[in-house]
Amino acid sequence: DQQVKQNSPSLSVQEGRISILNCDYTNSMFDYFLWYKKYPAEGPTFLISISSIKDKNEDGRFTVFLNKSAKHLSLHIVPSQPGDSAVYFCAVHSGNTPLVFGKGTRLSVIA
Amino acid sequence: ETGVTQSPTHLIKTRGQQVTLRCSSQSGHNTVSWYQQALGQGPQFIFQYYREEENGRGNFPPRFSGLQFPNYSSELNVNALELDDSALYLCASSPTTHHNEQFFGPGTRLTVL
Repeated sequence: DQQVKQNSPSLSVQEGRISILNCDYTNSMFDYFLWYKKYPAEGPTFLISISSIKDKNEDGRFTVFLNKSAKHLSLHIVPSQPGDSAVYFCAVHSGNTPLVFGKGTRLSVIA
Repeated sequence: ETGVTQSPTHLIKTRGQQVTLRCSSQSGHNTVSWYQQALGQGPQFIFQYYREEENGRGNFPPRFSGLQFPNYSSELNVNALELDDSALYLCASSPTTHHNEQFFGPGTRLTVL
């Protein structure tokens, strides 16, 4: 039973356009949400996070939006660059419980 | 500052064998967590070690065990390997036990034949 769902296994976006990656979770007790980026042959790298007391967090080209009532978060990348091509994982947790990851979305940014 | 390193990079074993994977944590980090990432899945938490003691465990059988050493490096041991144990095993270190401060290594790809 998946607690974290990333329903799009892959996404292709043209360079310069916006990439939107989505993530849904089932447990309203989760209160901290993270996005990781993973290149082949490398470990996941932390990208951006948001706590449940906020609905938006921005860091340069990356913005995470949280909709607690819908149990949904999204990652926006604007503008998308070829170097953003990677697998993106959504991860959630509460308190000091372990991270629960989604299956990931493979983003391809086409030049 | 040296990041998280893991060895070996790749490993092939046969069913029933035992395997030991190693992880060196990032300088200044006293906590290590291990994850299993099966093909097409996200990383799944196995367990965490803090100051040489297990500090939380996911839904994995006892044949998955670990150690942490005084220098905070860690080992993951898997006994009686099964075909489904084939996966990428990721180690993550952190300066505290909080799960939102982890830095991942590149992983060890284990294939069980």
